[in-house]
Order: sequence, then structure tokens, then C-alpha cells
Amino acid sequence: ETGVTQTPRHLVMGMTNKKSLKCEQHLGHNAMYWYKQSAKKPLELMFVYSLEERVENNSVPSRFSPECPNSSHLFLHLHTLQPEDSALYLCASSPGTSGGAQSETQYFGPGTRLLVL
Amino acid sequence: GNSVTQMEGPVTLSEEAFLTINCTYTATGYPSLFWYVQYPGEGLQLLLKATKADDKGSNKGFEATYRKETTSFHLEKGSVQVSDSAVYFCALKSGNTPLVFGKGTRLSVIA
Repeated sequence: ETGVTQTPRHLVMGMTNKKSLKCEQHLGHNAMYWYKQSAKKPLELMFVYSLEERVENNSVPSRFSPECPNSSHLFLHLHTLQPEDSALYLCASSPGTSGGAQSETQYFGPGTRLLVL
Repeated sequence: GNSVTQMEGPVTLSEEAFLTINCTYTATGYPSLFWYVQYPGEGLQLLLKATKADDKGSNKGFEATYRKETTSFHLEKGSVQVSDSAVYFCALKSGNTPLVFGKGTRLSVIA
């Protein structure tokens, strides 16, 4: 596999369920990101990890819990979600988080389409 | 703070028409500028980028020139195809602040 992969591609869950989204990058990058893309809203940055350490958390509700066990893998653990959390969740990676466009260019996975009932 | 403003969509064009999608930005310092494209059912893909004033990014027939004097990075293509139908996002990165995206412009090309 090459690039950034995400599983599952589609997920339907009830508000009391617990599920996890997985992201894996095969690019040797040091930074990984979670974004939320909702219809008719700008792309929202949720979390940023650099060298497995969280460096950005944009006031995301605690029902979303990220985990970055190593620089190639990123998880988003979900519990007690609300219907308004239904969206496309995108993972991205980049060589670094600063130091010019080459190191900061982000590469995206295909996303997980989440529906919360 | 940093921000990106894109023209509102959707944009509908006939095949072989000329495309312009406007993008202007506000940023501190000297940002890098990007265009990303999202095809239906997929994630975002980097289309092109420019790192300094007067740089021109180009890819797949698309071009955008970094204009510092007008703080713009408009996307152009001389002859669009049906396969170019997608959502296009302008974005900027400045210093240690996160990548900032515009709201996206949906392009539909009809045969």
C-alpha cells in the first residue's frame, strides 16, 4: 500500500456505541492530522500529532479521543457521539509541521464516512 | 489571523471552457499557498503549490500564480474536461500555524 489509508471507509453507529477510526501512512512522515468535513462547512482541523506527540487540539469534544502509537498510525476513538457528528473524517500526514512548503505539504487519505443514528 | 476566501460555487462549465476559481488570502508573514482537489467520494489531493511571490504552480493543465500585491492565488485551466468535476480548495500555511483552508468551490463540467 502507498500513501495514506483509512479504515473503515464507511461507518454507521448508534449514539451509545464505541468505535475507532484507523489511519495509516506509508510515506515516512512525522506529522499526522485528523480533520472533520461536514456538508456546507469549512474543513475543520481536529488534532495534530508531530512525532507521536499531540501539538494541536482545536477544542474538540471529549467524545473524540485520538491516539498516535507511532508515526505511521493514528486512531480516532469515538464514544457517545451525536447525530451532528455525522461527517467525513479525513486523515492526513506531512513530513513535518514547519520549515517550508515541502515539509508542510499534507497528503490526505480517502476518509471515513460516518453516520451517527 | 490567517484566512482564505474562495469564490462561491457551484461553477458549471461546458467541456473545453476556460476556468478561473478566485482565491484571496490574509496572512501574517510569507505564507505558502496550495490548491487541493477533492473528487467525488475521495479525500483531498494536492493539485499544486507555490512558496513565494510570483511563483507559478502547475499540474494537470491547472495553473496558479502567487500574487503578493493582490494577495491572490487564482486557479486557472484553459480547457476543462468532464473529469475535472470536483471540489477545489485553496489553502495557506504560514509559520507554525496550521494549514488554513477555504470553503471549497464545486466545479461541474458538462459534456
